[in-house]
Amino acid sequence: KQEVTQIPAALSVPEGENLVLNCSFTDSAIYNLQWFRQDPGKGLTSLLLIQSSQREQTSGRLNASLDKSSGRSTLYIAASQPGDSATYLCAVPTGTASKLTFGTGTRLQVTL
Amino acid sequence: GAGVSQSPSNKVTEKGKDVELRCDPISGHTALYWYRQSLGQGLEFLIYFQGNSAPDKSGLPSDRFSAERTGGSVSTLTIQRTQQEDSAVYLCASSGLLGGRETQYFGPGTRLLVL
Repeated sequence: KQEVTQIPAALSVPEGENLVLNCSFTDSAIYNLQWFRQDPGKGLTSLLLIQSSQREQTSGRLNASLDKSSGRSTLYIAASQPGDSATYLCAVPTGTASKLTFGTGTRLQVTL
Repeated sequence: GAGVSQSPSNKVTEKGKDVELRCDPISGHTALYWYRQSLGQGLEFLIYFQGNSAPDKSGLPSDRFSAERTGGSVSTLTIQRTQQEDSAVYLCASSGLLGGRETQYFGPGTRLLVL
């Protein structure tokens, strides 16, 4: 059974800092990995999707990497802003239905 | 609208009552998923639809939970005889192509509170 873990569970940083969120998964037979953002009381917003053939994907200040063999992905956020405050979730598709197995989430707070 | 919509956005009910949650997927998306997000449990899969059929119901926690989809579009998740542990956010997603790859688009969720 696929298990997805994220560390840290919570993180508070001052504005402007670069930070790294970690995601690990137990079954490396994945064909992609997705990072989501969830704001309080809101649904999920897809940030980045990395295919298994890729090593990284970039969007603006966000960069996600994937190392299938070690079962790890990282989300790098450059020059953090208070608007980045949210919960970040990684997820991998499981089974023929491509249902997503989600990580435990990292709650990020960026302070002024 | 352009995105996945869910209704109601919030629902408060008494223990033992039945509730229905609705999901309107993005037009043309054939795959639809229901997930549940509860405190201490994270986000977990409930059921998957391809068209009107549900080939994977493995995440439904009990026989009090059921779902249907009609016309390959709207889906309804029904919880019978609600219990307090059913309190959670219920999220719906539909799946379509993004950059040539299938990806899931999520609705805002329905927050269910069972008193």
